[in-house]
Amino acid sequence: TQLLEQSPQFLSIQEGENLTVYCNSSSVFSSLQWYRQEPGEGPVLLVTVVTGGEVKKLKRLTFQFGDARKDSSLHITAAQPGDTGLYLCAGGDSNYQLIWGAGTKLIIKP
Amino acid sequence: DAGITQSPRHKVTETGTPVTLRCHQTENHRYMYWYRQDPGHGLRLIHYSYGVKDTDKGEVSDGYSVSRSKTEDFLLTLESATSSQTSVYFCAISTGQVDYEQYFGPGTRLTVT
Repeated sequence: TQLLEQSPQFLSIQEGENLTVYCNSSSVFSSLQWYRQEPGEGPVLLVTVVTGGEVKKLKRLTFQFGDARKDSSLHITAAQPGDTGLYLCAGGDSNYQLIWGAGTKLIIKP
Repeated sequence: DAGITQSPRHKVTETGTPVTLRCHQTENHRYMYWYRQDPGHGLRLIHYSYGVKDTDKGEVSDGYSVSRSKTEDFLLTLESATSSQTSVYFCAISTGQVDYEQYFGPGTRLTVT
C-alpha cells in the first residue's frame, strides 16, 4: 500500500519567516502534486512535479521532487498571512487515483 | 474556474434517511471522484468514475453508492445515513492527463443527526 506522510502536521509562524513542509514515502511516484485548501473551500492545485530532482517556483513558493521520486518539499520564503491554509500533497497512482497525504495546517500570523 | 458545482452545499438529515449529493461539471472530463474530509483523516476516496456508467470503489465505500448516467453528473447516495457519515464531501474532476491532476468543487457539508 502506498502511503504519503506529511510533516509537520501543524505549523504556526510569524509573517516574514521561512518554512518548509515535507511529503515523504517509501514508494516511488510518477508525479507529486501540491494543493492548498482554505477554510470552507475545496483544494486547489498549486503545482505538479514529474521529473526526479525537478524544482518549480511559484512566486515565493518553491517545490522540489526528490531524485528518487519518493519525496517532495514545499518551501515558502517570507511567509505572508495569505499563505495560511491546509497544504496537501498527492502522489500519482496508475489506477486513475491519487494517493493523498494528511496535510499540513499552516498559520501565518501578522 | 473548473466549472464544478455541488448541491446541496449544506444538508442536515436524520439517521436512517436516504441522501443524494450531486456533482455537476461543465468541462466534459472523463474522470470524477467523490471524497470525504474529516479532521485527522485528510481526504479519503469514496468512489470514482472513469466514464459514463463506469464506476469503482475507493477506500471508504461502505454505505455509499454512486451513479453516472451522463458525463456531466456524478451522484453520491447514502442509502441510510448514519452519524458516522457526518462529514464534508468533495467532488473532483480530472482530465486524466499529467497523472490525474484534480479540480475540486466547493464541497457539501452533511450533518446526520
